[in-house]
Amino acid sequence: DGGITQSPKYLFRKEGQNVTLSCEQNLNHDAMYWYRQDPGQGLRLIYYSQIVNDFQKGDIAEGYSVSREKKESFPLTVTSAQKNPTAFYLCASSASLTEETQYFGPGTRLLVL
Amino acid sequence: GESVGLHLPTLSVQEGDNSIINCAYSNSASDYFIWYKQESGKGPQFIIDIRSNMDKRQGQRVTVLLNKTVKHLSLQIAATQPGDSAVYFCAETRSLNTGFQKLVFGTGTRLLVSP
Repeated sequence: DGGITQSPKYLFRKEGQNVTLSCEQNLNHDAMYWYRQDPGQGLRLIYYSQIVNDFQKGDIAEGYSVSREKKESFPLTVTSAQKNPTAFYLCASSASLTEETQYFGPGTRLLVL
Repeated sequence: GESVGLHLPTLSVQEGDNSIINCAYSNSASDYFIWYKQESGKGPQFIIDIRSNMDKRQGQRVTVLLNKTVKHLSLQIAATQPGDSAVYFCAETRSLNTGFQKLVFGTGTRLLVSP
């Protein structure tokens, strides 16, 4: 998984609850990304960040929020506004936003109770 | 709209056979393509990449072929092993006006290798 860690591996969310997924990288990469993966589908981009204190919405940002206070860390919060949060969440990083190759973490599976 | 897609959702092969996984893309402006392997419950793992100025690129037991005329990409795995069983994704990069190289993923092909 190339120096990218995600925790927890499994996460359970109660209705109306916000939950935060952790992503840490020790690759000294500037750019980080969050994707959502649903069964039988490809990865869809939620948010991305090219540098500390900067992040941009991806294709499906509604119901999610992020922060980038440190270069190594890019946590994702799934808010209660996300009505269908059950999915596999993948964090990735690349040397920069203009560097095409992204390396992925092991993922967090979020389930709704 | 533009998309990256795959011809076959599941490919079953015998151990030792060669496997070919196909991918079609529709954005003729894409200039970089990646193949990822994803094992069950894990994150995608980079396998091999190719730029649009190349037709073929080889790695260890894997070869990627790019046919820009018909916008087709394929991944060939030689002497397929049970450990190759996984879902394989192709992805293309699309440059946004900000310079961001956005990855667009296909839906994946599941490769099943029987001993």
